[in-house]
Amino acid sequence: RKEVEQDPGPFNVPEGATVAFNCTYSNSASQSFFWYRQDCRKEPKLLMSVYSSGNEDGRFTAQLNRASQYISLLIRDSKLSDSATYLCVVNNGGNQFYFGTGTSLTVIP
Amino acid sequence: DTAVSQTPKYLVTQMGNDKSIKCEQNLGHDTMYWYKQDSKKFLKIMFSYNNKELIINETVPNRFSPKSPDKAHLNLHINSLELGDSAVYFCASSQLGITNEKLFFGSGTQLSVL
Repeated sequence: RKEVEQDPGPFNVPEGATVAFNCTYSNSASQSFFWYRQDCRKEPKLLMSVYSSGNEDGRFTAQLNRASQYISLLIRDSKLSDSATYLCVVNNGGNQFYFGTGTSLTVIP
Repeated sequence: DTAVSQTPKYLVTQMGNDKSIKCEQNLGHDTMYWYKQDSKKFLKIMFSYNNKELIINETVPNRFSPKSPDKAHLNLHINSLELGDSAVYFCASSQLGITNEKLFFGSGTQLSVL
């Protein structure tokens, strides 16, 4: 079983839509959780960390459900510039980072 | 200033050649990594070094040899390149021992083996 699993999509949504991505992880002892964004032919960049109580950064909301071992990312009022691949990342402690395969989002005018 | 920098950005070479990719970070981090992203876009850890010591060595052919002269540098040398080595290679760094430590990536090296 993979450490981190994501629906690869693609998700094609109109501008202004709300879209949600989920990600599940297999290790119940996982310690830290993140969403990274990767644009085509670029490096992954940290979008936001995911905290136990949930957290929000502008139009982006991240949630963590430890009991069910899943992480979610909600994007409200989608912009064209949100088009990218969103990577779910889990840290099992120390330097063990595990990546999902990424979910592709295209926001359509 | 670029936090994690790797060179070259593009590398085109013939099968059987030997090549190196260099990586440097100026974040003062203790840990550095090499990741490989293949055509299916999956990011897979290859190596991790902590303070110049090898910590993670995933199932990678021994044609790949990382070298860390100091904790700010982690280079990747590849011998006898094969077609299947074509991918994007990302260097990254993080700081162990802090809460919610994050990975910072270099801009990637696109390797094409012909």
